[in-house]
Amino acid sequence: DAGVIQSPRHEVTEMGQEVTLRCKPISGHNSLFWYRQTMMRGLELLIYFNNNVPIDDSGMPEDRFSAKMPNASFSTLKIQPSEPRDSAVYFCASSTGQGNTEAFFGQGTRLTVV
Amino acid sequence: GENVEQHPSTLSVQEGDSAVIKCTYSDSASNYFPWYKQELGKRPQLIIDIRSNVGEKKDQRIAVTLNKTAKHFSLHITETQPEDSAVYFCAASWGAGGTSYGKLTFGQGTILTVHP
Repeated sequence: DAGVIQSPRHEVTEMGQEVTLRCKPISGHNSLFWYRQTMMRGLELLIYFNNNVPIDDSGMPEDRFSAKMPNASFSTLKIQPSEPRDSAVYFCASSTGQGNTEAFFGQGTRLTVV
Repeated sequence: GENVEQHPSTLSVQEGDSAVIKCTYSDSASNYFPWYKQELGKRPQLIIDIRSNVGEKKDQRIAVTLNKTAKHFSLHITETQPEDSAVYFCAASWGAGGTSYGKLTFGQGTILTVHP
């Protein structure tokens, strides 16, 4: 398996534009997590899914953020409209969904909003 | 919910010295404690983990200890090398019939610098 795949790797966009980040989890993994990493806040869990169903989105900072998982092999995180303070590295991770197993991270998307 | 505190936030050692990073957690139901290493510009990757039925686990130069009574766990790196320089994250999770869905709560991270 190629691991968790995220796209794009880098995104530079202007304030106010819509941004869509994409993630393909490891085949057979039932849980998918979206994290945001900044120097100030570290690794923040934004939302996670199990069997394509959103379980907890309490980490999503504002209504400008939304996430979907239409099937077991694809998820998106959308920011509309984007703001400079959204600049961060966004990681997607997946796991089997059992309580005591490793989560595998994608390579991340570095988002810069200017 | 679970809360994980990690200390120190930065740690600087000389090559060959030992490094210790400590974490405490709040939820007594947590039973899985992984440690991730993140090199500059890379993704976090698992280096070692421990489950609550074990008090200590070693893998070459790294070891993790767990004290469930005190709700803390630690990462120990011996004979540090410059390539150990990275950000280290501890995390906690619980698995009760799968209802945690594998959610990990991370500590704030420790920037480890090993000077040659």
